[in-house]
Amino acid sequence: GAGVSQSPSNKVTEKGKDVELRCDPISGHTALYWYRQSLGQGLEFLIYFQGNSAPDKSGLPSDRFSAERTGGSVSTLTIQRTQQEDSAVYLCASRTPGLEVTGELFFGEGSRLTVL
Amino acid sequence: KQEVTQIPAALSVPEGENLVLNCSFTDSAIYNLQWFRQDPGKGLTSLLLIQSSQREQTSGRLNASLDKSSGRSTLYIAASQPGDSATYLCAVVTRGGSNYKLTFGKGTLLTVNP
Repeated sequence: GAGVSQSPSNKVTEKGKDVELRCDPISGHTALYWYRQSLGQGLEFLIYFQGNSAPDKSGLPSDRFSAERTGGSVSTLTIQRTQQEDSAVYLCASRTPGLEVTGELFFGEGSRLTVL
Repeated sequence: KQEVTQIPAALSVPEGENLVLNCSFTDSAIYNLQWFRQDPGKGLTSLLLIQSSQREQTSGRLNASLDKSSGRSTLYIAASQPGDSATYLCAVVTRGGSNYKLTFGKGTLLTVNP
């Protein structure tokens, strides 16, 4: 696609429910990041996928959070048993292929999650 | 652990003024530094990318400089316009163990008044 696509753009859920957020990176981009941005806060790293390598999950805040990337393209971030503190904008980004360290990073518009 | 600081946290200027936004980082062993713009409720838009071997990058009214040894970058905006109002973030890539870490500052909220 032309850019990084995220869905849904907005999600309102009840505490305790599971949610799935989807990211479709720019075609051919092998590096994919998930970040979380809470109101008034900076970007918090969640997880990083690079090609077929094991993902860097060091930023996931708890075992309720998981992410997968199927076929090296689309990624899904799953939050189980959502809590109110999970409310945030979840941003996905991908990087120019072949330049996973030095390439430009492109972001999607984000998925705004509200947990009631 | 890399830490990125952006000063000021917020800035309000009249239209037409030239301005400078600052970004500092604690670990100078960076691979690159990228400046982004974020409009309310939107994702991040890339403005400028500076590789570690470069000193500056320019795009239109924007100029970003990098002084790796002192851990600083500046984003210069010339002849500011109300449409420049947004939050500006910087991010650096450093090596963290076997992975490459991307660390963001908290941003500078810029308001350009007509």
